[in-house]
Amino acid sequence: DIQMTQSPSSLSESVGDRVTITCRASQSISSYLNWYQQKPGKAPKLLIYAASSLQSGVPSRFSGSGSGTDFTLTISSLQPEDFATYYCQQSYITPPSFGQGTKVEIK
Amino acid sequence: QVQLQQWGAGLLKPSETLSLACAVSGGSFSDYHWTWIRQPPGKGLEWIGEINYSGSTNYNPSLKSRVTISIDTSKNQFSLNLSSVTAADTAVYYCARGNTLVLGVMLWFDPWGQGTLVTVSS
Repeated sequence: DIQMTQSPSSLSESVGDRVTITCRASQSISSYLNWYQQKPGKAPKLLIYAASSLQSGVPSRFSGSGSGTDFTLTISSLQPEDFATYYCQQSYITPPSFGQGTKVEIK
Repeated sequence: QVQLQQWGAGLLKPSETLSLACAVSGGSFSDYHWTWIRQPPGKGLEWIGEINYSGSTNYNPSLKSRVTISIDTSKNQFSLNLSSVTAADTAVYYCARGNTLVLGVMLWFDPWGQGTLVTVSS
């Protein structure tokens, strides 16, 4: 199985801040990497697929980059509705696997 | 707009079989990977398995001996059975649509069902 490691596990930021979350794969996964946002008590919501493609309806302040083993999710200007937990997910090898999550909290 | 609505028993005793179903409405039922994913309380996400329109399945090796996913194309529904449950199977279970590119290697999950909390306790 491919292990996905996110960093940091949590962070505290202010509205308007630029936020960067990193996801590292235990082996190369090309660009087969997706990002999700999950709010408490809700199902995850797809933000980014194929490392950098923005899902329809997702605000443009979200962006993704990377390939191989290292990937980044960036929120250019944090909004109140962005406080949530974020997960990366690889699909290069079955079973698809997720990172452990990064919780973005209000400073 | 595609919607997934799931249901099933929320409280089980050890050794019983977990059974959940998921109905798909508002979109095509073919050409997708219909998927189950679970999340233990306060923890991360685990892919359980998937089925396609023709009934072909893939399961997580960690659960393969206990998992069965089936599909009813006449009702646009798919189902999950997990046998011999223990407390370790306590989780929120989600159904989701798997979307693919690149001959199925590029796979992402959208949309998701609302989730069902399944608790295993004696």
